Amino acid sequence: EDKVVQSPLSLVVHEGDTVTLNCSYEVTNFRSLLWYKQEKKAPTFLFMLTSSGIEKKSGRLSSILDKKELFSILNITATQTGDSAIYLCAVTYWLNNAGNMLTFGGGTRLMVKP
Amino acid sequence: GAGVSQSPSNKVTEKGKDVELRCDPISGHTALYWYRQSLGQGLEFLIYFQGNSAPDKSGLPSDRFSAERTGGSVSTLTIQRTQQEDSAVYLCASSPRTRTDTQYFGPGTRLTVL
Repeated sequence: EDKVVQSPLSLVVHEGDTVTLNCSYEVTNFRSLLWYKQEKKAPTFLFMLTSSGIEKKSGRLSSILDKKELFSILNITATQTGDSAIYLCAVTYWLNNAGNMLTFGGGTRLMVKP
Repeated sequence: GAGVSQSPSNKVTEKGKDVELRCDPISGHTALYWYRQSLGQGLEFLIYFQGNSAPDKSGLPSDRFSAERTGGSVSTLTIQRTQQEDSAVYLCASSPRTRTDTQYFGPGTRLTVL
């Protein structure tokens, strides 16, 4: 079963728009949730979230985690064409008999048009 | 300092040939991961190394795939008797200690099997 689900699968917006990307998860022994941006090949790290309700911010990007409802959102304000990428969410958790695990969601493909 | 490096950056091979992909993690990182990303798909976990041992090989898609890590550093992913469905970008990542740490990705190797 899918442990990390991202929505929407893809999104097309115009420059200046604000977007919200969603990541829901279903794991036990949750440790952290990570957001990555993938433009060409390698994903680059954006945020790590471990506590509920504390917003992390970097420029026009921000993210928050809700550990009760098991989801996170990534917001991008005043989008630019350079924000076009696949945004990946990953969850780390502890699995008995296996140890620490990390699972990626399927990603959201964002396209920002001029 | 230097990030994760991978070689080659691109590899074109003929069906049935063996290929070796190399990953140099960030110096001092004990955890190393291999992922695969097919066109338009999310990241698919292949294998995780802690030091030289691989506690999780669950993602290797078939016995044609193998990986090793020597000296707690460089890792090689080998694909024997390549098939067209092996065509993908193969990404390597490393993290300082465990799977719950932030993973830093290399630029990837784009493998094309003709």
